[in-house]
Amino acid sequence: ETGVTQSPTHLIKTRGQQVTLRCSSQSGHNTVSWYQQALGQGPQFIFQYYREEENGRGNFPPRFSGLQFPNYSSELNVNALELDDSALYLCASSRRGLAGAFEQYFGPGTRLTVT
Amino acid sequence: AQSVTQPDIHITVSEGASLELRCNYSYGATPYLFWYVQSPGQGLQLLLKYFSGDTLFQGIKGFEAEFKRSQSSFNLRKPSVHWSDAAEYFCAVGQEMNNNAGNMLTFGGGTRLMVKP
Repeated sequence: ETGVTQSPTHLIKTRGQQVTLRCSSQSGHNTVSWYQQALGQGPQFIFQYYREEENGRGNFPPRFSGLQFPNYSSELNVNALELDDSALYLCASSRRGLAGAFEQYFGPGTRLTVT
Repeated sequence: AQSVTQPDIHITVSEGASLELRCNYSYGATPYLFWYVQSPGQGLQLLLKYFSGDTLFQGIKGFEAEFKRSQSSFNLRKPSVHWSDAAEYFCAVGQEMNNNAGNMLTFGGGTRLMVKP
């Protein structure tokens, strides 16, 4: 069973630019979530996609947007990059487990540096 | 709104010693609780989870966690730590979305575990 994969591994962008990060779900998982992890902090929920629709959103501005495709893969887009957007971006796919609750499985992340 | 507190930012233990990492949560309903581990430069690996029922749970790599509803705690334990356990550990509480199609995780700030030889 293939796990969650993300690309690219690392990315350096300049303030004001736009960036697209990609994620492939684990087989059989139809829900994808994105998290931002700043250095030295726990991950923070950005948003979640289910059946190609946004299924919930954390406290992030509209310049953070996403897409989910029919094969359940996903993209995170960030416009007008700011220095504070520098972080590890984690994608997680999930399914409802045997106990009836969702378990999220994370990819290795994309390290974004904004200069 | 839910929240998670991990009171210890850093913990150092000797190899072979026992370990307990603390986690306190705030959540209005029955919580779904998780422990994840993150090695440097890596993503998060699910160690164990609590959904309902028993209070003591076994996870992978010899870890276990005890759920105490009266103390709103979900502490992670290991009887004997190995050098390879050095990593960052995150406790999280899950909240289901309104359409029951997924859940949102709220994480604590993490505890960095260092293991002395």
